[in-house]
Amino acid sequence: QLQLQESGPGLVKPSETLSLTCSVSGGSISTYYWSWIRQAAGKGLEWIGRFYITGSTNYNPSLKSRVTMSVDTSKNHFSLKLSSVTAADTAVYYCARYTHYYDSGYFDYWGQGILVTVSS
Amino acid sequence: QSVLTQPPSISEAPGQRVTISCSGSTSNIGDNAVNWYQQLPGKAPKLLIYYDDLLPSGVSDRFSGSKSGTSASLAISGLQSEDEADYYCAAWDDSLNEEVFGGGTKLTVL
Repeated sequence: QLQLQESGPGLVKPSETLSLTCSVSGGSISTYYWSWIRQAAGKGLEWIGRFYITGSTNYNPSLKSRVTMSVDTSKNHFSLKLSSVTAADTAVYYCARYTHYYDSGYFDYWGQGILVTVSS
Repeated sequence: QSVLTQPPSISEAPGQRVTISCSGSTSNIGDNAVNWYQQLPGKAPKLLIYYDDLLPSGVSDRFSGSKSGTSASLAISGLQSEDEADYYCAAWDDSLNEEVFGGGTKLTVL
């Protein structure tokens, strides 16, 4: 059974860079797309972006200038960096697997989520 | 303001059937598949319906999805207390070039 687990600092100072890692177990990271999604307290889901092992990426246009996603196949994990954070970036961050299906796709495996608070 | 529009809340009695709507446009629902996710309180979202109306393995057949034009619906029959959750629709948007979610619908089983 595939399992995803987010890790990283739970507190980040304003203007600094948020860095999270998603460890994948029970399957290889070398196939499928992998995504990050976040959810502010009491709010809905917001897609941050996705990437494929080949380097192909899609980022949320509203976050694109601040987002970097990368992968370490040797450790079977992938990472998110979000720069110049503000209080508006405070949220639970989820990593998820994106499975392509015909001309579309869906998020079929999710991590449990990690709360990141931006505060001085 | 979410790109996909869902009712904020809905309530129904146990054993009854409820339908949650998701309204979009030609650039998202009209041209791409819709997925539905269930988020139990304090938990991560879980895939409920994919590609408009397909059920992932392990998901109860009390859940069903449909789509017509630029709108989609999630139906839940034989409501149970364990169905109390937030439900989100999602689809790729060709114009925005991003995955978009509905604002979520909080289901209360009376």
